[in-house]
Amino acid sequence: EPEVTQTPSHQVTQMGQEVILRCVPISNHLYFYWYRQILGQKVEFLVSFYNNEISEKSEIFDDQFSVERPDGSNFTLKIRSTKLEDSAMYFCASSQDNSPLHFGNGTRLTVT
Amino acid sequence: RKEVEQDPGPFNVPEGATVAFNCTYSNSASQSFFWYRQDCRKEPKLLMSVYSSGNEDGRFTAQLNRASQYISLLIRDSKLSDSATYLCVVNPGEGGFKTIFGAGTRLFVKA
Repeated sequence: EPEVTQTPSHQVTQMGQEVILRCVPISNHLYFYWYRQILGQKVEFLVSFYNNEISEKSEIFDDQFSVERPDGSNFTLKIRSTKLEDSAMYFCASSQDNSPLHFGNGTRLTVT
Repeated sequence: RKEVEQDPGPFNVPEGATVAFNCTYSNSASQSFFWYRQDCRKEPKLLMSVYSSGNEDGRFTAQLNRASQYISLLIRDSKLSDSATYLCVVNPGEGGFKTIFGAGTRLFVKA
């Protein structure tokens, strides 16, 4: 069964550093998403991406965040200057349309 | 009102019990509804979609009441392996891409 893959599984970075989280969505999917989950809290929507542009974003997704689909297979989330409160699990997901989202295993980001 | 609201639990039940989870959503125009399961520190995984007519998958039954903006999940004959957090998920549809997750209901099934 095709799956969404994310790398790295764990990223440790210092406050103020830039990080790029990588995702390879399922190949025939057209809609891509990033969610985050702070430890012990709910899964929160960050951004959705369709047709090479952001389709929706949440208030969490401020100017420090950006997404890109650089080569037709990868889908990346960049955080320009990380803060302690960015520490969370980041999940990438993809879907065909309004069908269910398929999630990757997540990247655990730890900001020190 | 929260966009998607669930009873946080936890629900502690013995093996073999029947347990029901409820969820309400605020956007009356929402189109698609799902139940996901999340194990500790893992990604959410689709359990089942929820259809207007109600649907069943083995021991799991999901129902949707659009008039009340209410979704339910019933688990019969609970197994130890059912222990997890159950997430109610709502998609606004109609070109909306902001699929929203409830905070989840924690279930512990004990021997």
